[in-house]
Amino acid sequence: EAGVAQSPRYKIIEKRQSVAFWCNPISGHATLYWYQQILGQGPKLLIQFQNNGVVDDSQLPKDRFSAERLKGVDSTLKIQPAKLEDSAVYLCASSLVAAGGYNEQFFGPGTRLTVL
Amino acid sequence: AQSVTQLDSHVSVSEGTPVLLRCNYSSSYSPSLFWYVQHPNKGLQLLLKYTSAATLVKGINGFEAEFKKSETSFHLTKPSAHMSDAAEYFCVVSHSSASKIIFGSGTRLSIRP
Repeated sequence: EAGVAQSPRYKIIEKRQSVAFWCNPISGHATLYWYQQILGQGPKLLIQFQNNGVVDDSQLPKDRFSAERLKGVDSTLKIQPAKLEDSAVYLCASSLVAAGGYNEQFFGPGTRLTVL
Repeated sequence: AQSVTQLDSHVSVSEGTPVLLRCNYSSSYSPSLFWYVQHPNKGLQLLLKYTSAATLVKGINGFEAEFKKSETSFHLTKPSAHMSDAAEYFCVVSHSSASKIIFGSGTRLSIRP
């Protein structure tokens, strides 16, 4: 079974530029999550989708971050414009069960973003 | 409100000795609790989970954790450390109704030969 795919694996940009990350979850997984993991900290949930609807985006900085999951499969996370403090690893995860129950999340390898 | 505190940022043990990684939680609801492991340059992997069944939970690679409601703790243990256990470990609290998933700050486990 293929795992969660993410691209790119690494990205370096200047502040005020824009960047986009892509995630392909495990086939059949209804729930998709984006996390931000700053060096030395635990992952912080940015947004959770069930199919193509948003379940929780309370910690997403909506003035600069946006995410979409068209057709309930792939997802993209965008930052525009980027700030220095956005330097982090962005993790995508997926799980079988939607909101109302918790099942194991399967994580992708992450995208390491460096903002100069 | 939910929160999770990992009491040690770094734990170092000798190979073959017991491992104890401490986690305390706060939750307004009956929580679900998890431990994840993150090896360098690899994705996060679920070690074990507690979801209101047996309080002693056994996971992969010989790890186990005990849910203690009176102490609001969910410490991770292993009887004998192996070099391959060196990694970052995260305690996670969640509740289905709250729909919040919160990771602890992590504990880095080092194994001495």
